[in-house]
Amino acid sequence: NAGVMQNPRHLVRRRGQEARLRCSPVKGHSHVYWYRQLPEEGLKFMVYLQKENIIDESGMPKERFSAEFPKEGPSILRIQQVVRGDSAAYFCASSPGRNEKLFFGSGTQLSVL
Amino acid sequence: GENVEQHPSTLSVQEGDSAVIKCTYSDSASNYFPWYKQELGKRPQLIIDIRSNVGEKKDQRIAVTLNKTAKHFSLHITETQPEDSAVYFCAARNFNKFYFGSGTKLNVKP
Repeated sequence: NAGVMQNPRHLVRRRGQEARLRCSPVKGHSHVYWYRQLPEEGLKFMVYLQKENIIDESGMPKERFSAEFPKEGPSILRIQQVVRGDSAAYFCASSPGRNEKLFFGSGTQLSVL
Repeated sequence: GENVEQHPSTLSVQEGDSAVIKCTYSDSASNYFPWYKQELGKRPQLIIDIRSNVGEKKDQRIAVTLNKTAKHFSLHITETQPEDSAVYFCAARNFNKFYFGSGTKLNVKP
């Protein structure tokens, strides 16, 4: 019974490149959340998705950031033209549905050189 | 939207003592309050949670209390051990969004 799987664990990009972060939720979970965490700080909400739908993207910058959760395959958080300020840990979490518990993946540490 | 505040930001206790971490929330519509423990470089792990129709919940050395009227909830750890050292986050669920506190770094000194 695998938990939330994120890959890669570490991702290094140069300024201007694209970063693609993947998240496979717990089997049977249809709700996915993405959070960003800076060192010594809390978890900042970015986006909430259900299969094929973005439910709430109010925490995600309007430029350069996008997210999807297709019918088949993992959820993807995509950051275009990365800048140094995008360096952070990005955590994905999943839930089986409304009013259910939230479980986190191990995160992707993005470093922008 | 919801606003969750957490105190203290750091807490240092002697092994065997109790530790208490407090959180407040702003929206009375929030109905579920989980607590997560995050060790350095690892994922946040759910350690205990409480729903809005319950005032207190206990699981071995960990307990959570909720005061809906005052909109605050607390994590209590008794008989602390060095392995309890970590960052603890409270959260409030509001219309299927989870809002997190800023975290408390707990250091248990042996």
